[in-house]
Amino acid sequence: GQNIDQPTEMTATEGAIVQINCTYQTSGFNGLFWYQQHAGEAPTFLSYNVLDGLEEKGRFSSFLSRSKGYSYLLLKELQMKDSASYLCAVSKDNAGNMLTFGGGTRLMVKP
Amino acid sequence: KAGVTQTPRYLIKTRGQQVTLSCSPISGHRSVSWYQQTPGQGLQFLFEYFSETQRNKGNFPGRFSGRQFSNSRSEMNVSTLELGDSALYLCASTLGLGFANLQFFGPGTRLTVL
Repeated sequence: GQNIDQPTEMTATEGAIVQINCTYQTSGFNGLFWYQQHAGEAPTFLSYNVLDGLEEKGRFSSFLSRSKGYSYLLLKELQMKDSASYLCAVSKDNAGNMLTFGGGTRLMVKP
Repeated sequence: KAGVTQTPRYLIKTRGQQVTLSCSPISGHRSVSWYQQTPGQGLQFLFEYFSETQRNKGNFPGRFSGRQFSNSRSEMNVSTLELGDSALYLCASTLGLGFANLQFFGPGTRLTVL
């Protein structure tokens, strides 16, 4: 089976840095995705990691350690518009395009 | 390119009825996946279609079914609706198969079962 855990809620201050962690247990790991979802909207792609290390994309970075079953999403210079849910999702070998999602982390950015 | 479109956006049904939801993928995308999103269970995979064939199926009862047409448009059907089927149903399209194919999500259909 698969188990993907991430914190339910986090709060941070505008301009600060926040790290959202995701741990997973899965057989046949084939990559990890981060999506952002604003309330009432569709998830939008943020980042993808398949090899260990850090992927940087502007204010957002994502890290993966396959041996530890661990990833994090780092958001820098937080803006109010970053208030959203952040979803960690894992893809598996031989599972086509199926993604297994964690429960999501609701991030609130305060002034 | 137009994004993934889903119709209808909102739907209200009563228990025991059946419902059909539609998804048009991004032009050129051949794979369509369906997900159910609820506050309690989060995003859960329903099924994936590629070239009119179901490739993967999640752990949902047989009341949930789907199909894909030759133009890659997909429909999902839920028969004998239950209160617990109230959810946001999301469709995602992908260019091709397998490894790390990025999924683009549509806006979803919010189904309320009374």
